[in-house]
Amino acid sequence: EAQVTQNPRYLITVTGKKLTVTCSQNMNHEYMSWYRQDPGLGLRQIYYSMNVEVTDKGDVPEGYKVSRKEKRNFPLILESPSPNQTSLYFCASSFGGGLADTQYFGPGTRLTVL
Amino acid sequence: AQSVTQPDIHITVSEGASLELRCNYSYGATPYLFWYVQSPGQGLQLLLKYFSGDTLVQGIKGFEAEFKRSQSSFNLRKPSVHWSDAAEYFCAVGAGGTSYGKLTFGQGTILTVHP
Repeated sequence: EAQVTQNPRYLITVTGKKLTVTCSQNMNHEYMSWYRQDPGLGLRQIYYSMNVEVTDKGDVPEGYKVSRKEKRNFPLILESPSPNQTSLYFCASSFGGGLADTQYFGPGTRLTVL
Repeated sequence: AQSVTQPDIHITVSEGASLELRCNYSYGATPYLFWYVQSPGQGLQLLLKYFSGDTLVQGIKGFEAEFKRSQSSFNLRKPSVHWSDAAEYFCAVGAGGTSYGKLTFGQGTILTVHP
């Protein structure tokens, strides 16, 4: 089954404790992206990647890092999480990244930073 | 820069009633427009999209949307709502093109369906 998976689905952590949220897709997609969703703000893009070793900032990259060492994986790293990063995070992928390519979303990771 | 406004934060309808969710966009060129649905605990699923051509587009689950350039709108409609349609709906506008497209999402509209 074609899908985007994220782990963990739920995470509660404390300020300053480094964490990684994994994202994996099995569709051989070149483009992957991370969004955060906050009430009243919709989804905002954090980082995106056009291919292996090619990443770029989205609209809200501060406090986040990403890497793309393999085509299927695109982990999101919070090196020193803060309470304002409490949010619902979505990973997405598409074939080429163009607007004609449908983006497939993962189920989301709900992060709480205390 | 592009932007999207969904004026209604929360809409309640009765099962079987018609539905219209509003979406207004701001973009200088011809926009790429999308509607996504997010069911509770799920990721986003694409309902429909508009790139060019016929301004009335059909999507999955019986939804349709109409692009009106003069009003900068892309409203989502369904003639008869089912209880399973209860979800949050996001309108998005895309900028860019064939190489890379950036999506900008609206704030979302939560749909509640009463039996």
